[in-house]
Amino acid sequence: GDSVTQMEGPVTLSEEAFLTINCTYTATGYPSLFWYVQYPGEGLQLLLKATKADDKGSNKGFEATYRKETTSFHLEKGSVQVSDSAVYFCALSPAYGNNRLAFGKGNQVVVIP
Amino acid sequence: KAGVTQTPRYLIKTRGQQVTLSCSPISGHRSVSWYQQTPGQGLQFLFEYFSETQRNKGNFPGRFSGRQFSNSRSEMNVSTLELGDSALYLCASSLADRDSNEQFFGPGTRLTVL
Repeated sequence: GDSVTQMEGPVTLSEEAFLTINCTYTATGYPSLFWYVQYPGEGLQLLLKATKADDKGSNKGFEATYRKETTSFHLEKGSVQVSDSAVYFCALSPAYGNNRLAFGKGNQVVVIP
Repeated sequence: KAGVTQTPRYLIKTRGQQVTLSCSPISGHRSVSWYQQTPGQGLQFLFEYFSETQRNKGNFPGRFSGRQFSNSRSEMNVSTLELGDSALYLCASSLADRDSNEQFFGPGTRLTVL
């Protein structure tokens, strides 16, 4: 079935450092891809999305490009802030009209001042 | 426009009891999905309701059930609670039309089973 794999373990980095979180997926057809962020004690917020190959999603300085050839959707940010500390989830939705999101395990990001 | 709301935010129950959680979607959204979040299993899809019909279902036992009302509000019920049902239960709503499958999440209901 459809699945999403995120790199293992938390990510700790200093303020203004470059952030990258790897995400690869397995799916049939042409899924939509998403990055969600979860702050402590809150639900999930959609950070960015891409619905077809080579699309680049971007928001708040974060970017991710839908790479069908490598089945990847890596999240990047050029200069992180302390306020970016949160848990980041990669997810896919199999097709339009199908709202069954499959999530990766998530990565805790801690930004140190 | 108000976001997705979930009630209650916190619940404490004992094994064997049953519980009902409520979700009010964003106005105009017809699809409501439910997810369970635990440290061990992560985020897992429970089911989706669209126009009062269950459209998708995840791999959870029959103790987990749901329904949707004509105003798109949804409830999920867990019967005969087990310790392993302790989790954050998240509800998400979407327009579910051809041009947008973006889901908006509520803050969740934290269920603790003792």
